[in-house]
Amino acid sequence: AQTVTQSQPEMSVQEAETVTLSCTYDTSESNYYLFWYKQPPSRQMILVIRQEAYKQQNATENRFSVNFQKAAKSFSLKISDSQLGDTAMYFCAFVLASGTYKYIFGTGTRLKVLA
Amino acid sequence: DTEVTQTPKHLVMGMTNKKSLKCEQHMGHRAMYWYKQKAKKPPELMFVYSYEKLSINESVPSRFSPECPNSSLLNLHLHALQPEDSALYLCASSHDLRGGLSYEQYFGPGTRLTVT
Repeated sequence: AQTVTQSQPEMSVQEAETVTLSCTYDTSESNYYLFWYKQPPSRQMILVIRQEAYKQQNATENRFSVNFQKAAKSFSLKISDSQLGDTAMYFCAFVLASGTYKYIFGTGTRLKVLA
Repeated sequence: DTEVTQTPKHLVMGMTNKKSLKCEQHMGHRAMYWYKQKAKKPPELMFVYSYEKLSINESVPSRFSPECPNSSLLNLHLHALQPEDSALYLCASSHDLRGGLSYEQYFGPGTRLTVT
C-alpha cells in the first residue's frame, strides 16, 4: 500500500523569505504522479504543482518549486519570496499512473506567513 | 474553464432529513470523486465514478448514496445522517489517469454540512 508522510504539522515563515515543506512517500511502483495542493482557510483546495515520476527534472511554477528525489522517495516543496496569501494548509498527494483513482494525501502542513 | 461547482455551499439538516449535494464540471473529465474533510485533516475518499460508473466505494455507510447522472454531474444523496457526519464535503474531477492527458484533480469549493 502507498503512504504519504508530512512530518511538519505547522510551520511559519517571514514574508519574502523562503520555506521548504517536506513530504515523503512509500510505494513499490515506479510510475506515479505527485502533487502539492494548497487549501487556504475556508477556501478552495487548489493545485500548486505537479511532478511526473518518470521525469527527472524538478517541476517549477513561478515561486513554487519541488525537489523530487525518486530514490529517496522524497518530494519537498520550496516557496520562494513568501507572501501573506501563501498562508494555507498544504497537502502532498500521490496517485498511481495505473488508473486506480485513489489519491493518497498526507496529513498536511499548516503554513503561516508572518508580516 | 477549470471550475468545479458545488451546491449548496452550506447545509444544515436534521437526522431524519433527506437532502442532496450537487457537483458539476465542464472540463470533459471522466472521473469524479466525493471526499469528506474534517477540520485540519486531509480529504478522505468516499466514492469514485469513472465513465459514469461507480468504481470505488470506500466502505461508506449506506446513508450516503452517490449518483452520476451524466459525465458532468455528480450527486450525493443524504439520508438519516448522524452528527458525526458533519464535515466539509468536497467534489473533485480528473481526466482518466490512463489517458495520458493530465492527472491532477480539480476540487470544488465544498459543501459545509452540519447535522443537528
